[in-house]
Amino acid sequence: AQKVTQAQTEISVVEKEDVTLDCVYETRDTTYYLFWYKQPPSGELVFLIRRNSFDEQNEISGRYSWNFQKSTSSFNFTITASQVVDSAVYFCALIEGLNTGNQFYFGTGTSLTVIP
Amino acid sequence: SAVISQKPSRDICQRGTSLTIQCQVDSQVTMMFWYRQQPGQSLTLIATANQGSEATYESGFVIDKFPISRPNLTFSTLTVSNMSPEDSSIYLCSVHRNYEQYFGPGTRLTVT
Repeated sequence: AQKVTQAQTEISVVEKEDVTLDCVYETRDTTYYLFWYKQPPSGELVFLIRRNSFDEQNEISGRYSWNFQKSTSSFNFTITASQVVDSAVYFCALIEGLNTGNQFYFGTGTSLTVIP
Repeated sequence: SAVISQKPSRDICQRGTSLTIQCQVDSQVTMMFWYRQQPGQSLTLIATANQGSEATYESGFVIDKFPISRPNLTFSTLTVSNMSPEDSSIYLCSVHRNYEQYFGPGTRLTVT
């Protein structure tokens, strides 16, 4: 079974619209980390956020915000007032436990296209 | 943040040949990870490389096909052996630091 599910494979929005990327995870561990990464067309992976399982506070960073809800095992990512530069593939990922050597599980990614 | 460099950044190779990808990190790390990203797909862990011991391979990946070296705490290589077109992918090395994972820029491999 997939440990991280990103049901939206592709999303297109018009510039300045808000968009939410969904991420649902599955783990039996009580301690874990969740991540979001951005992969622009150039291919490099850009770290966006890390959240541990004990911290359910939502976070806002500029136009980006994240909604972590353990009750629904979701860690959704919202971009407000989207811009063309936001066009990329976005990956949600999970590390189980707090051992930094544990395996990283990636979702299948959501390809976001922002249309000018 | 960790600075990771990879060589080559891209290559086009003939079927049946081998390519060695290098990964250099700006400071010492215990473990280095190698991932593969096939076209339009997510990242899949190939193996974990500890300095001074044999790499640990994930299901579906074997040492004969993807031999890995880890001669010191800042460097690792991944070899893609006896390549076929199905090996065309981006190969990324990665390290953990302070509970964050950093990725190299990737090596884009095309096998013809």
